[in-house]
Amino acid sequence: NAGVMQNPRHLVRRRGQEARLRCSPMKGHSHVYWYRQLPEEGLKFMVYLQKENIIDESGMPKERFSAEFPKEGPSILRIQQVVRGDSAAYFCASSPRDREDTQYFGPGTRLTVL
Amino acid sequence: ILNVEQSPQSLHVQEGDSTNFTCSFPSSNFYALHWYRWETAKSPEALFVMTLNGDEKKKGRISATLNTKEGYSYLYIKGSQPEDSATYLCALLTGTASKLTFGTGTRLQVTL
Repeated sequence: NAGVMQNPRHLVRRRGQEARLRCSPMKGHSHVYWYRQLPEEGLKFMVYLQKENIIDESGMPKERFSAEFPKEGPSILRIQQVVRGDSAAYFCASSPRDREDTQYFGPGTRLTVL
Repeated sequence: ILNVEQSPQSLHVQEGDSTNFTCSFPSSNFYALHWYRWETAKSPEALFVMTLNGDEKKKGRISATLNTKEGYSYLYIKGSQPEDSATYLCALLTGTASKLTFGTGTRLQVTL
């Protein structure tokens, strides 16, 4: 059973461009979570999705950021008009159910905004 | 804002030493506590999920205990090995959402 997959592993964008980060959860997992690690900080929750639904986006910046988890295909975290402050490591995790279940993390995407 | 604190921030031990670190959290509104092990350039690796007061879990040389009434969890490593070198994170699951609130971690370095 392959683990959580994220791609790309490294992404470089210039200010104003769009960044699209992909996450394929583990097989059988229908819950996906996105976390962000800013430089010199810990992991911070961004958004929690189930198939086709956003359950909790309380950690997501109000502008420029969006997330989806379609019925088919990976979950996408989209950042429009990136700024230097968006440079961070973005981690995706998945679980088969919520609450008590372990969240399994992917290797992360390191976004650098020039 | 939920505050999850871990101590010490970093720790340097010799191979064979046993060690422990602490995760502290507000004792109210608690649902589950997760421990992760995070090696540089890798994914955080799940160690334990703990929910009940008095829970004690073990995986090989690593074990953890939970005290929900006083708001702390201990992680123990017996006979540390160089491959145990990593950052150990605890995270709290609270409320109706399934989001984890992470501490800043304890960075463990084990030398020969």
